[in-house]
Amino acid sequence: RKEVEQDPGPFNVPEGATVAFNCTYSNSASQSFFWYRQDCRKEPKLLMSVYSSGNEDGRFTAQLNRASQYISLLIRDSKLSDSATYLCVVNMGNTPLVFGKGTRLSVIA
Amino acid sequence: NAGVMQNPRHLVRRRGQEARLRCSPMKGHSHVYWYRQLPEEGLKFMVYLQKENIIDESGMPKERFSAEFPKEGPSILRIQQVVRGDSAAYFCASSPGTLVGTEAFFGQGTRLTVV
Repeated sequence: RKEVEQDPGPFNVPEGATVAFNCTYSNSASQSFFWYRQDCRKEPKLLMSVYSSGNEDGRFTAQLNRASQYISLLIRDSKLSDSATYLCVVNMGNTPLVFGKGTRLSVIA
Repeated sequence: NAGVMQNPRHLVRRRGQEARLRCSPMKGHSHVYWYRQLPEEGLKFMVYLQKENIIDESGMPKERFSAEFPKEGPSILRIQQVVRGDSAAYFCASSPGTLVGTEAFFGQGTRLTVV
């Protein structure tokens, strides 16, 4: 079983749509959780950290369910500029970040 | 405050040559991580270093690959006798301390092409 699993997509959505991504992780000892964004042929950049209480940043909402070991990202009112690959990332303390393969999003005009 | 700097951005090597990839972490960061990304794949951890020490090299191939982070100067990822399968994007990240609850900042990557 892979450490971090994501639906690769692609998700093709019209502008203004709401889209949700899920991610599951296998290690119950995981401590920190993040969503990174990666544009084509660019480096990954932190989108947001994910907390047990859930957190929101503008149009983006992230949630963590430790019991079920999954993380979600919700994007409301999608913009063309949201088109990218979204990477689910977990960390188990002193170990390095473990990345999912990413979910590709295309927002269409 | 410059970000994580990697060079070269693009590197072409013939099979059998050596590739040296350099990474200068952000100012004040003493932890460096190297990742490899194959086309259409996710980032795979290779090695985690602190100044002069290798902390975790569990993702590093046993042969031909080595990494260092000297007291002075950038971190170096060295690939000897490159093969076509080494063609990938190699990303370096840095952090001020361990990654519990903190993000890692990534450089723009080095794209290695082996011909």
